[in-house]
Amino acid sequence: DAKTTQPPSMDCAEGRAANLPCNHSTISGNEYVYWYRQIHSQGPQYIIHGLKNNETNEMASLIITEDRKSSTLILPHATLRDTAVYYCIVRVENFGNEKLTFGTGTRLTIIP
Amino acid sequence: EAGVAQSPRYKIIEKRQSVAFWCNPISGHATLYWYQQILGQGPKLLIQFQNNGVVDDSQLPKDRFSAERLKGVDSTLKIQPAKLEDSAVYLCASSPQRWARNEEQAFFGQGTRLTVV
Repeated sequence: DAKTTQPPSMDCAEGRAANLPCNHSTISGNEYVYWYRQIHSQGPQYIIHGLKNNETNEMASLIITEDRKSSTLILPHATLRDTAVYYCIVRVENFGNEKLTFGTGTRLTIIP
Repeated sequence: EAGVAQSPRYKIIEKRQSVAFWCNPISGHATLYWYQQILGQGPKLLIQFQNNGVVDDSQLPKDRFSAERLKGVDSTLKIQPAKLEDSAVYLCASSPQRWARNEEQAFFGQGTRLTVV
């Protein structure tokens, strides 16, 4: 699976949009971009994933550049409960052997 | 839908002792994963089961760690003997055999925090 690069930490004011970047310059055509987050003392929680089109769900939006070498996770109206470590993961589709390889992630702190 | 259950939540043992962790995955999930998460790091995959067979155990320290998944449902992870560097959170996750493209993928339990003193 391709490697990802994320800033180690970010701050965002409560109520503002949080934009978390991720670089995955070696991504190949059949690799998906996944985002998980981990709130303190809990297991990782799925947020969103995509292949090449932008995606939106009730939690967040995922913007993938046209060349797919980078992506941005957007939390539209950040709340204090969004304080967590956010992991960007690139995963190849491999039926029967799916797995997630985590990096060190971005620690997002929402400021009141 | 019930989530992934793990027990115990916390465990403190002395080095050279043995310890076991238990995981009950989401009903019907064929794939089960054990991850180790050391403080300040992302989770690292230790072992992956497909039903009751091992798919990937390349990062499992087999001289001291073992895992089994009897009947393709519950799983246990054992450490014997424990070392100080085994202090970590041990996470269990489960997923369907085939990851549907428009659905959530792997589901994680809350983990077991192990402290080796």
